[in-house]
Amino acid sequence: LAKTTQPISMDSYEGQEVNITCSHNNIATNDYITWYQQFPSQGPRFIIQGYKTKVTNEVASLFIPADRKSSTLSLPRVSLSDTAVYYCLVGDGNSGNTPLVFGKGTRLSVIA
Amino acid sequence: EPEVTQTPSHQVTQMGQEVILRCVPISNHLYFYWYRQILGQKVEFLVSFYNNEISEKSEIFDDQFSVERPDGSNFTLKIRSTKLEDSAMYFCASNPFINEQFFGPGTRLTVL
Repeated sequence: LAKTTQPISMDSYEGQEVNITCSHNNIATNDYITWYQQFPSQGPRFIIQGYKTKVTNEVASLFIPADRKSSTLSLPRVSLSDTAVYYCLVGDGNSGNTPLVFGKGTRLSVIA
Repeated sequence: EPEVTQTPSHQVTQMGQEVILRCVPISNHLYFYWYRQILGQKVEFLVSFYNNEISEKSEIFDDQFSVERPDGSNFTLKIRSTKLEDSAMYFCASNPFINEQFFGPGTRLTVL
């Protein structure tokens, strides 16, 4: 499994764009990059998944350079409710029966 | 929107007692999982389940643990003889064919 590295914590003010970068130097050809969000005392929640270039949904954007050795989760105009831990995961996104391997994630604190 | 449900939300038990944690995955999902998160630590995979049998299990999932899908809707995790170190949040998750896992709200297990 590809190991991921992401910052332990980040702070941001409300209304700002937040970019969280994840390194995954040993990503395999069939690996997808997936981001989950976890609020305190809740289960993780899927945010976005991508394989290459850029993916955007109603919550976030995911930027993946051509070499796929890193990825950046972009949260536009964060609010206090975006305070959570964000996890970058790398694995076979097309295979349904694949356990998720979580790291320690990035603790994002949004300040008013 | 369909969601994974878990009961109870909080379970307190004495060391050595058996506990059963219950989950109702999303109805048309195919793959089911249990994860745990010890307070302040990362989410850890325990076991995955597909087609009425265990697909994969981690080192944590020893002989004290078992899973069952007794009917078409429930998915249970049994711990036969709880230890203090089993105190954690236990999350059930499920997904359809693609690997976007939906997590339940968790059961907080406290072993005294």
